[in-house]
Amino acid sequence: GNSVTQMEGPVTLSEEAFLTINCTYTATGYPSLFWYVQYPGEGLQLLLKATKADDKGSNKGFEATYRKETTSFHLEKGSVQVSDSAVYFCALINAGGTSYGKLTFGQGTILTVHP
Amino acid sequence: DAGITQSPRHKVTETGTPVTLRCHQTENHRYMYWYRQDPGHGLRLIHYSYGVKDTDKGEVSDGYSVSRSKTEDFLLTLESATSSQTSVYFCAINDYSYNEQFFGPGTRLTVL
Repeated sequence: GNSVTQMEGPVTLSEEAFLTINCTYTATGYPSLFWYVQYPGEGLQLLLKATKADDKGSNKGFEATYRKETTSFHLEKGSVQVSDSAVYFCALINAGGTSYGKLTFGQGTILTVHP
Repeated sequence: DAGITQSPRHKVTETGTPVTLRCHQTENHRYMYWYRQDPGHGLRLIHYSYGVKDTDKGEVSDGYSVSRSKTEDFLLTLESATSSQTSVYFCAINDYSYNEQFFGPGTRLTVL
């Protein structure tokens, strides 16, 4: 079956520091990969996605590259802000058949950014 | 905004009582999902629907049932709530055009 593994949290950084949150996956076929963000007290928002190998998803200064050879989709940001404090989830979807649209999530990584 | 609302947003109930959560969407999406969110587990799929009256189980479906009599509404029912079902429940739709999933605001359920 499908699985997603994220780095253990929580992650605590100072403002303007570099962020990496590791994500690796196990899946059959060619899944699409996603990062979602959940701000305190809110639902999940799609942050970025990549649908095939070597695709780079980017949004709001965050980036992640779909690496099929290492089955990874690590999230990076060059300079974090206090407003980036949230929970980040890596996820995958296998397209097609009865699995259509069924997301498999990692356990989430809590990020706290201090001024 | 994918036009997804959930009701109620918060609910406290007692063990053994039935509970129904409602998800409503305004954009006619075919696929709808119910997830639960628990610390250390991320989100886990409970049930999903791929059309009116077409539903199937997810990975944590025990103790839950669903119904979808109209495209816009997807109901999640706990027939007899237990304390282990205390969680935050999220509804989602899948935008077929982009194979992207969008989430509702969530329902926080506490079973005493």
